[in-house]
Amino acid sequence: AQRVTQPEKLLSVFKGAPVELKCNYSYSGSPELFWYVQYSRQRLQLLLRHISRESIKGFTADLNKGETSFHLKKPFAQEEDSAMYYCALRAAGNKLTFGGGTRVLVKP
Amino acid sequence: NAGVTQTPKFQVLKTGQSMTLQCAQDMNHNSMYWYRQDPGMGLRLIYYSASEGTTDKGEVPNGYNVSRLNKREFSLRLESAAPSQTSVYFCASMGYSPLHFGNGTRLTVT
Repeated sequence: AQRVTQPEKLLSVFKGAPVELKCNYSYSGSPELFWYVQYSRQRLQLLLRHISRESIKGFTADLNKGETSFHLKKPFAQEEDSAMYYCALRAAGNKLTFGGGTRVLVKP
Repeated sequence: NAGVTQTPKFQVLKTGQSMTLQCAQDMNHNSMYWYRQDPGMGLRLIYYSASEGTTDKGEVPNGYNVSRLNKREFSLRLESAAPSQTSVYFCASMGYSPLHFGNGTRLTVT
């Protein structure tokens, strides 16, 4: 069975400070990992996916198969980054499961 | 292009009542999903349909049934609602692009 774990429920950082959201997964096959974000009163939307290896809104994430992790990082947090962040794993058969989410609060 | 449309937006049920949450997508996506979102629990997969004609259980299927009516529509049914089913429900669809979510249905069971 697949599982996604986000150990931090809340991350509070000051504007301009680095932020790292942890995501660990367990899956016996070859996973596809994503980060989704939900801003206040908005739909969940894709932030980035590991296969594209891109940087969106200054965020990056690297898939570490040895550590089964896909941590999300941003070197300088902005107030508009305050949101709920979810790590997700797509397994065979298009089954997509999410972690418990991390709320990020960026203080001025 | 509406994307993923869920109805209703809000619903209050009494324990034991039944209801169906409707979801439709206009992006020609093969896969559709139902999640529930609870504080501290994140998004939990209830059921999904990888393609038209198939449905599979997710992490928390008990108390729910689904129907993939056609490629566009995927409904979620609560046969006998319980207070533990109070939650926000999200429908989503996926093709070759990433998951697209609906706006959610806030359900309260009293």
